[in-house]
Amino acid sequence: EAGVTQFPSHSVIEKGQTVTLRCDPISGHDNLYWYRRVMGKEIKFLLHFVKESKQDESGMPNNRFLAERTGGTYSTLKVQPAELEDSGVYFCASSQGVGYGYTFGSGTRLTVV
Amino acid sequence: KQEVTQIPAALSVPEGENLVLNCSFTDSAIYNLQWFRQDPGKGLTSLLLIQSSQREQTSGRLNASLDKSSGRSTLYIAASQPGDSATYLCAVLRGAQKLVFGQGTRLTINP
Repeated sequence: EAGVTQFPSHSVIEKGQTVTLRCDPISGHDNLYWYRRVMGKEIKFLLHFVKESKQDESGMPNNRFLAERTGGTYSTLKVQPAELEDSGVYFCASSQGVGYGYTFGSGTRLTVV
Repeated sequence: KQEVTQIPAALSVPEGENLVLNCSFTDSAIYNLQWFRQDPGKGLTSLLLIQSSQREQTSGRLNASLDKSSGRSTLYIAASQPGDSATYLCAVLRGAQKLVFGQGTRLTINP
């Protein structure tokens, strides 16, 4: 079984540019999550999709972040325009549902300079 | 607001020792608790998942316990090996399917 795949693994962009991160969940997992870890802090929730619908986006920092999940399959997280404080590691996870545990991807390390 | 604390922040022990990592959480209304390991520059690898109705889970040399009433979980690693060196994270799942993470314990096993 393929795991959760994220790309790119690293991205370095200049302040003000746009970056799009992609996540391919485990096939058949309706639940897809985005989390973020910024330097020195714990990993924090960003948002949760159930199939193609946003179930909870209470963790999204501001309206510069836009997440989509096309047809309930892969998801993208776009940051536009990027700011210095957006630097960190962005993790994607998928799950069959409550009680099944989460499977995380390897993360995308975003550096905004 | 759920808070998760992991103690110690870092731990260094010689190979072969048994060790315990601690995790505490402030709100006992959780669905489950999951332990992960993270190797440098890598993603999170799930180690053990304990449902709220369970007291412990075991996998190989790892044993995790859960005491909801006191808001504590421990991860016991037996006969530690250099390959166990990593950051260990605990996370609790609350309503709305949000995982709340601790800051992690950075473990170093010295050969």
